[in-house]
Amino acid sequence: QVHLVQSGGEVKKPGASVMVSCKASGYTFTNFGVSWVRQAPGQGLEWMGWIATYNGDTHYAQDFQGRVTLTTDTSTNTVYMELRSLRSDDTAVYYCARGQEAFNWGQGTLVTVSS
Amino acid sequence: DIQMTQSPSSLSASVGDRVTITCRASEDISIYLAWFQQKPGKAPKSLIFAASSLHTEVPSKFSGSGSGTDFTLTITSLQPEDFATYYCQQYNSFPFTFGQGTRLEI
Repeated sequence: QVHLVQSGGEVKKPGASVMVSCKASGYTFTNFGVSWVRQAPGQGLEWMGWIATYNGDTHYAQDFQGRVTLTTDTSTNTVYMELRSLRSDDTAVYYCARGQEAFNWGQGTLVTVSS
Repeated sequence: DIQMTQSPSSLSASVGDRVTITCRASEDISIYLAWFQQKPGKAPKSLIFAASSLHTEVPSKFSGSGSGTDFTLTITSLQPEDFATYYCQQYNSFPFTFGQGTRLEI
C-alpha cells in the first residue's frame, strides 16, 4: 500500500527557512516523481514544483523560483522541500503527492509563519 | 502558464442528484487532466487521471470526460459523503496548474 508520510508542523519567523520531508513507501520510489502543493487557509490548491526522483531534475512554479528547492534521497525514499525567506503569506498546509498525476498524497504539513 | 477555469465555483445539490463540473484549459492539454476531491481538514484524494481513468477504489459513480481544452467531472446518485470541494489539475506541461475549485454543497 502506498504511503507518503510528511514531517510535522513548523512555526517559523519571517525571513527564516523551513524544510519539510516526505517519506514514501509501498512502491518503487524512482518510478514516480513527486509534486509539492500548498494550500493557504481557506484557499485553493497551489502547485509549487516537481522533482524526478530517479535523477533529481526539478521544475518550479514561477512564484517560488529562487525561494524553493526540492531534493531527493533515494537511500531513504524521501523527498525534501525547502522554502526560504518565509513571509506571513507562506502560512499554509504543504502537501507532497506521488507522480505527475498526484495519485497519492501525504497527510500535509502546516507551516505557520509569524513574528 | 496554462490557466484552468472551473465552473461553477459552487454548486448546491441534493442527495440522489447527478451533477457535472466543468474544467476548461487555456490551451490544448490533450488528456493530461486529473480530478481531486477534498474534504475539510483532509488531504486531497485522487479521483480521475488521464481525463477519464478512474483511480483505484474510486466508485464508478464518478466519471470524467473530455480532451483538448474542455473537460467534465460527473457524479451520479449523490450521497452525503460526496459533498466536498473538487479540483481539476493539468499535468500536460510545467508548471502544472489547478482550477480554483468547485464547492459542492447541500
